[in-house]
Amino acid sequence: KAGVTQTPRYLIKTRGQQVTLSCSPISGHRSVSWYQQTPGQGLQFLFEYFSETQRNKGNFPGRFSGRQFSNSRSEMNVSTLELGDSALYLCASSRGTSVDTQYFGPGTRLTVL
Amino acid sequence: QKEVEQDPGPLSVPEGAIVSLNCTYSNSAFQYFMWYRQYSRKGPELLMYTYSSGNKEDGRFTAQVDKSSKYISLFIRDSQPSDSATYLCAMSIPNTGNQFYFGTGTSLTVIP
Repeated sequence: KAGVTQTPRYLIKTRGQQVTLSCSPISGHRSVSWYQQTPGQGLQFLFEYFSETQRNKGNFPGRFSGRQFSNSRSEMNVSTLELGDSALYLCASSRGTSVDTQYFGPGTRLTVL
Repeated sequence: QKEVEQDPGPLSVPEGAIVSLNCTYSNSAFQYFMWYRQYSRKGPELLMYTYSSGNKEDGRFTAQVDKSSKYISLFIRDSQPSDSATYLCAMSIPNTGNQFYFGTGTSLTVIP
């Protein structure tokens, strides 16, 4: 079974730009969660999508948004990029039933200059 | 104060040593406790999963949860160089979907 894939793996943007990251979950998984990982803060939960609906949301500003498509693939968008948005963005997929094992992708490394 | 605290290390041990990794938390609503391992340039992978208090063993790994002290531990016996990675604790609250709260991770190096 193929794992979680994320594209692109690396991105370099400048302040003020926007970026879209993509995540393809494991086949049959309906839940996709997004996390931001930085050395100082560790993994911080951004949001979770289940069956195309946002089910949970962390404490991030509205510049961070996401969506999920009918095939469970998910995208995350960050608008008006700031230097502090430089991080590893991880996507995790699961079946979405109660508490379930989350399988992480390799992440997208975003650098904001 | 972060809801989950974890000593970042780094921790360096000789091959064959017993490793103890720990996390403390402040939210008594946490019921599910997990340990992930993250190799450099990879996403985290699930190692252990426990519910409420108690111990769980899987091969060389043992996870312990002490809810009265709000303290969880991961023990690695007979540590191997391949165990060198960052270990992340995570926890969640029942019926809140898949929102996990992570520690910042402990970097472990096992020296051959």
